[in-house]
Amino acid sequence: EVQLVESGGGLVQPGGSLRLSCAASGFTFSSYAMTWVRQAPGKGLEWVSAISGSGDSTYYADSVKGRFTISRDNSKNTLYLQMNSLRAEDTAVYYCAKSNLYIVVVVAAYKWFDPWGQGTLVTVSS
Amino acid sequence: DIQMTQSPSSLSASVGDRVTITCRASQSISTYLNWYQQKPGKAPKVLIYAASSLQSGVPSRFSGSGSGTDFTLTISSVQPEDFATYYCEQSYSTPPITFGQGTRVEIK
Repeated sequence: EVQLVESGGGLVQPGGSLRLSCAASGFTFSSYAMTWVRQAPGKGLEWVSAISGSGDSTYYADSVKGRFTISRDNSKNTLYLQMNSLRAEDTAVYYCAKSNLYIVVVVAAYKWFDPWGQGTLVTVSS
Repeated sequence: DIQMTQSPSSLSASVGDRVTITCRASQSISTYLNWYQQKPGKAPKVLIYAASSLQSGVPSRFSGSGSGTDFTLTISSVQPEDFATYYCEQSYSTPPITFGQGTRVEIK
């Protein structure tokens, strides 16, 4: 069974840092791109970042560019999101999700995310 | 960036009703459109990909249609377990990956 389990969320002060992890199992982790999507309380889904299967290519939403870093350790089947300079507006449940493709940017190929992890809550507050 | 707009934002339906949700893209995205279902406190789950392809294990009462800029998710006979929030997502021009704002389907 394909499974994703996030961890690392919690309460952090504005300006602080946090590292999220997403442990993957049930599939060949290095063969698939991965992504982080967040959801602020009572709000919709917002894409945060994505990474190719090899980890060589990374992409970020403008709202987190320069503050967040996505990475992966294919030997440990784990995806990470390092979050620095956190702001109140970063408060959200953060989900990791598996792509159906190896790369993130692809022309004329259908791509979607399945499955998603259960999410981990990040609260930025003083 | 491609903007996705869903309508309505919410709707009320009775069990057995036919439910239709619309998603409009700010530019043509061919059929690079996915639909997700999210139940309260749970992660999203893909229902439909490529505008009209049913993900494995998803009940056949769910269907998707459309191309270009206008898309529809239809639940032919809504069941109690279908009350949830539904999101469309464009996969035509990414990144950034963009979602619609969501449509909440509530029990009447």
